[in-house]
Amino acid sequence: GQQVMQIPQYQHVQEGEDFTTYCNSSTTLSNIQWYKQRPGGHPVFLIQLVKSGEVKKQKRLTFQFGEAKKNSSLHITATQTTDVGTYFCAGRNTDKLIFGTGTRLQVFP
Amino acid sequence: NAGVTQTPKFRVLKTGQSMTLLCAQDMNHEYMYWYRQDPGMGLRLIHYSVGEGTTAKGEVPDGYNVSRLKKQNFLLGLESAAPSQTSVYFCASSSHRAGANVLTFGAGSRLTVL
Repeated sequence: GQQVMQIPQYQHVQEGEDFTTYCNSSTTLSNIQWYKQRPGGHPVFLIQLVKSGEVKKQKRLTFQFGEAKKNSSLHITATQTTDVGTYFCAGRNTDKLIFGTGTRLQVFP
Repeated sequence: NAGVTQTPKFRVLKTGQSMTLLCAQDMNHEYMYWYRQDPGMGLRLIHYSVGEGTTAKGEVPDGYNVSRLKKQNFLLGLESAAPSQTSVYFCASSSHRAGANVLTFGAGSRLTVL
């Protein structure tokens, strides 16, 4: 079945440093979504990428969708303590949305 | 506008007991999903539904049953709970329309099986 892997599993950074998480699917995706889950909370939608090679930005966050539509990345510039949480990618294949294993980000002030 | 509501929020069961988790959404979404979240495992899809009266298996369906008798409700049942089913369960819903099919999650239900 479809598998979606994320690396790294954990990342600790000093406030102000950059952060990147990578997402890889075993199958080609129709689209990819990114979610953020704060500690003790539920996942919240951040963005959706649909086109091959697509790049989208949300303030300090940059999202990319690979040319083959099998991988994606999320880059945060100059992290802040409010960025703390777990970031999940989720790949859509027909009706199912399969989540990656997530990357937990810890930011030290 | 409540979004997605899950009940109960917490539950402790003994091995072999049964229970039902209820998910209700008020956004008129066609699609509904049940995920479980375990440390280091991310969110794994248990069952999902693309419309009233329909259900389908996800990645980890064994030991669970679901029903979607009404469009706004999606029930997850455990017939004979096992310790391996200790987890946080999230319900989510989405529109079926391409480009708008992002998930709205409930707050989660923490289940402990002793």
